[in-house]
Amino acid sequence: DVKVTQSSRYLVKRTGEKVFLECVQDMDHENMFWYRQDPGLGLRLIYFSYDVKMKEKGDIPEGYSVSREKKERFSLILESASTNQTSMYLCASWTGGEYTGELFFGEGSRLTVL
Amino acid sequence: AQTVTQSQPEMSVQEAETVTLSCTYDTSESDYYLFWYKQPPSRQMILVIRQEAYKQQNATENRFSVNFQKAAKSFSLKISDSQLGDAAMYFCALNPMTDDMRFGAGTRLTVKP
Repeated sequence: DVKVTQSSRYLVKRTGEKVFLECVQDMDHENMFWYRQDPGLGLRLIYFSYDVKMKEKGDIPEGYSVSREKKERFSLILESASTNQTSMYLCASWTGGEYTGELFFGEGSRLTVL
Repeated sequence: AQTVTQSQPEMSVQEAETVTLSCTYDTSESDYYLFWYKQPPSRQMILVIRQEAYKQQNATENRFSVNFQKAAKSFSLKISDSQLGDAAMYFCALNPMTDDMRFGAGTRLTVKP
């Protein structure tokens, strides 16, 4: 079975803290994504990566950065957390081969910033 | 710009009955894919069904089927013989070949026993 694992299901952080959200996939997928999920807004793309050390901004990259040092791992970084970053964060991956369109998701990381 | 609209924030259905979730989209692309994803409570999101825009035949996966109306840019999901395990958030998504995937706001489906 394919697997996308997010390191933390629930986090509580204080305003101004640096936050790391880790995501690992075991499917040898080239493409990895970080989404933010908010009620009434659906999923919005923060950043994605199509290869090691490559990254592209999505729709809402402000306040976030990413790191992809290894193919299987894609990290989302909040340099200085703010209360408006309280949200559910979803990591996903997709093979860059024959197009199926299927994203494989992790279980999500629910972040609360106080 | 690509947009996806789900106009039903919440829906409910009686167990064993049929329910239809609505989705409309907008894109200037001629080649794209449409998806329905399911997010059960506290569990990861999974793909339910996929439709290629160039195919006229509506996709079907067991109890799940779609009504794809390309001219109207409509892509509804029908769940037949609803089961308690169908309770989830359902997201409609559009993936044009030249842009990122876009998701709707979601529809929360409740299944009543």
